[in-house]
Amino acid sequence: EAQVTQNPRYLITVTGKKLTVTCSQNMNHEYMSWYRQDPGLGLRQIYYSMNVEVTDKGDVPEGYKVSRKEKRNFPLILESPSPNQTSLYFCASSFRRDRLLVGGYTFGSGTRLTVV
Amino acid sequence: RKEVEQDPGPFNVPEGATVAFNCTYSNSASQSFFWYRQDCRKEPKLLMSVYSSGNEDGRFTAQLNRASQYISLLIRDSKLSDSATYLCVVNIDNYGQNFVFGPGTRLSVLP
Repeated sequence: EAQVTQNPRYLITVTGKKLTVTCSQNMNHEYMSWYRQDPGLGLRQIYYSMNVEVTDKGDVPEGYKVSRKEKRNFPLILESPSPNQTSLYFCASSFRRDRLLVGGYTFGSGTRLTVV
Repeated sequence: RKEVEQDPGPFNVPEGATVAFNCTYSNSASQSFFWYRQDCRKEPKLLMSVYSSGNEDGRFTAQLNRASQYISLLIRDSKLSDSATYLCVVNIDNYGQNFVFGPGTRLSVLP
């Protein structure tokens, strides 16, 4: 089944404790992206990757890191989480043709992160 | 002005009603368009792509007006299961940050 898999689904952590949210897709998509969703603010892009070893900042990158060492994986790293990073996080992927994305996004099931 | 704007909602309609959502976009470089559906606390899922000629999928009809830069979604004979938030998504030719999401319109279909 074509899918984007995120783990964990739920995570409660303490301020300052490094964490990684994993994301893996099995569709051979070039493009992957991370979003956070907060009430009243909609979906905001954190980072994206056009292909292996190519990553760039989205609209709200502060406090996050990513890497793209393999095509299928795109982990999101919070080196020192803070309470304002409490949010619902989605990983998404898409085919890319030249500069355009094709066919819309496939989203992972989401990770609900609480930082206390 | 926001890049993608949607009807603020929420829309509360009775079962069987017809409901229409509108979405406007500001970037004329927009290439393609989508409607996504998001259930509470779940991931957005692609409902339908929107083509220039308009397209229909069962009870759902999407239309695009490039000249006026708006997209619409019509739901006929609404069901309780249609209750969700509907997101308008615009794909622009902007290297990397391609998909721009609207804020969403919440629909509640009431028995």
